[in-house]
Amino acid sequence: KAGVTQTPRYLIKTRGQQVTLSCSPISGHRSVSWYQQTPGQGLQFLFEYFSETQRNKGNFPGRFSGRQFSNSRSEMNVSTLELGDSALYLCASSPRGDGNQPQHFGDGTRLSIL
Amino acid sequence: AQSVTQLDSQVPVFEEAPVELRCNYSSSVSVYLFWYVQYPNQGLQLLLKYLSGSTLVKGINGFEAEFNKSQTSFHLRKPSVHISDTAEYFCAVTDWRAGGFKTIFGAGTRLFVKA
Repeated sequence: KAGVTQTPRYLIKTRGQQVTLSCSPISGHRSVSWYQQTPGQGLQFLFEYFSETQRNKGNFPGRFSGRQFSNSRSEMNVSTLELGDSALYLCASSPRGDGNQPQHFGDGTRLSIL
Repeated sequence: AQSVTQLDSQVPVFEEAPVELRCNYSSSVSVYLFWYVQYPNQGLQLLLKYLSGSTLVKGINGFEAEFNKSQTSFHLRKPSVHISDTAEYFCAVTDWRAGGFKTIFGAGTRLFVKA
């Protein structure tokens, strides 16, 4: 079974631009969560999608948004990029997002803002 | 409020020595507990999980952890580490919040195994 796939692996943008990151979950998994990982803040929860609906959201500004498609693939968008948005963005999937199910992570997209 | 504290940011240890990575959590409701490992330039991989039942859980690569409800701890242990265990380890807690389950990760503990 293929794992969680995130594209692209690396991205360089400048301040003010916008970016879209993609995540393909494990086949059959309907819950997709996004995390931002930085050395200073660690892993911070962005949002979770299940069956195309955002079910949970972390404490990030509205510049961070996402969506999920009918095939469970998910995209995350960040508009008006700031230097502080430089981070590793991780996507994780699970069958239903139930608390007793571990999450399966992709290798992440490393976003650098110049 | 839910929180996870990993008490050591870095743990250096010699090869074949035992190691314990400490994790404390706070939550007012029942929780599910996880340990994940992250190798450089990769995502997180599940090491082990506690859902219910026996408080001692065994995971992959010889790791085990013990859930202590009274001390709200979930420490990770390995009796003899290898160089290949050098990585960052994350403790995670999941509980029910309005709208669904929410997972909080600790800040991570960097394990460095020396020859």
